[in-house]
Amino acid sequence: KAGVTQTPRYLIKTRGQQVTLSCSPISGHRSVSWYQQTPGQGLQFLFEYFSETQRNKGNFPGRFSGRQFSNSRSEMNVSTLELGDSALYLCASSLGQRYNEQFFGPGTRLTVL
Amino acid sequence: KNEVEQSPQNLTAQEGEFITINCSYSVGISALHWLQQHPGGGIVSLFMLSSGKKKHGRLIATINIQEKHSSLHITASHPRDSAVYICAVSLSSNYKLTFGKGTLLTVNP
Repeated sequence: KAGVTQTPRYLIKTRGQQVTLSCSPISGHRSVSWYQQTPGQGLQFLFEYFSETQRNKGNFPGRFSGRQFSNSRSEMNVSTLELGDSALYLCASSLGQRYNEQFFGPGTRLTVL
Repeated sequence: KNEVEQSPQNLTAQEGEFITINCSYSVGISALHWLQQHPGGGIVSLFMLSSGKKKHGRLIATINIQEKHSSLHITASHPRDSAVYICAVSLSSNYKLTFGKGTLLTVNP
């Protein structure tokens, strides 16, 4: 069974630009969660999608948004990039029950210059 | 104060040693997760538990719900165990994952 895939793996953008990251969950998994990891803040929850609906949201500004498609693939978008958005963005998928084991993707490393 | 506290922050051990990493939390939870992250970023879920004890190979995870405390033990440690170990809890109020800062484990041969 293929694992969680994320594209792209690396991305360099400049301040003010926007970026879209993609996550394909494990086949059969209906929940996708997104996380931001930085050296200073560690891992922080961004949002969770289940059956194309945002089920949970972390404490991030509205510049961070996401969506989920009918095939459970998910995208997250960050608009008006700031230097502080440089981070590793991880997605994780699970079957869908609220506290199912999560399977993480390799992450997308975003650098904002 | 963080909702999830881990100790120690850094741990260096010799190959073969028994290792314990601790996690304390201050919120109501539905489950606790132990994660492993190797250099380069990939995260692997080691355990998800809501009570008692689980064992997988040389790894053992325990949780005491009353004391709001969990431990991850590694028996007969090996250099390939070197990684960051992260404790995370699913909040009972909204199931969001909240993470500890992680424990950097280095096992020397």
